[in-house]
Amino acid sequence: EVQLVESGGVLVQPGGSLRLSCAASGFTFSTYWMHWVRQAPGKGLVWVSRINSDGSSTDYANSVKGRFTISRDNAKNTLYMQMNDLRAEDTAVYYCARSEHGGRPDYWGQGTRVIVSS
Amino acid sequence: DIQMTQSPSSLSASVGDRVTITCRASQSIRIYLNWYQQTPGKAPKLLIYTASGLQSGVPSRFSGSGSGTDFTLTISSLQPEDFGNYYCQQSYSLPFTFGGGTRVEIK
Repeated sequence: EVQLVESGGVLVQPGGSLRLSCAASGFTFSTYWMHWVRQAPGKGLVWVSRINSDGSSTDYANSVKGRFTISRDNAKNTLYMQMNDLRAEDTAVYYCARSEHGGRPDYWGQGTRVIVSS
Repeated sequence: DIQMTQSPSSLSASVGDRVTITCRASQSIRIYLNWYQQTPGKAPKLLIYTASGLQSGVPSRFSGSGSGTDFTLTISSLQPEDFGNYYCQQSYSLPFTFGGGTRVEIK
């Protein structure tokens, strides 16, 4: 069974940093692209970033470019998102999701909540 | 960025009704349109990929159609478990963008 379990979400002050993790199991992690998608409270889904299967290629939404860094450790079957210079508008539930060829995410985790507030 | 516009933003229908949700892209996305269902507090679930492909395990009452800029998700006979929010998403070009969502309520 495909499982994606996010962790690391907490309350953090504006300007602070955070690292999210996504532990994968039930599939061959190293062959899939991975994505982060976020959802602000009461709002819709917003794509944030993706990384290819070996970690050599990454893409970001303009809103997080230069502040967030996506990475992965295929030996540990884990996806990461390093989030720096956090802003109130980064407050959201962050979902990790996999995709076969970099396009549509097919399986998603349950999400981890990040709150940026003083 | 490609803008995705869904309509209606919400609807209420009875069990057994046929329900249609539309999604319009601000430019052609060929068939690179996906549909997701999200129930409260849960992760999104892929229903339809590349406009009309039925994701494995998804009931056949769900179907999708369209190409270019105009797309439709249809639920042929609404079931109680179909409540929730539905989102379209384009995977034609980065950044991948989602529609604003359609809330489906069961009367």
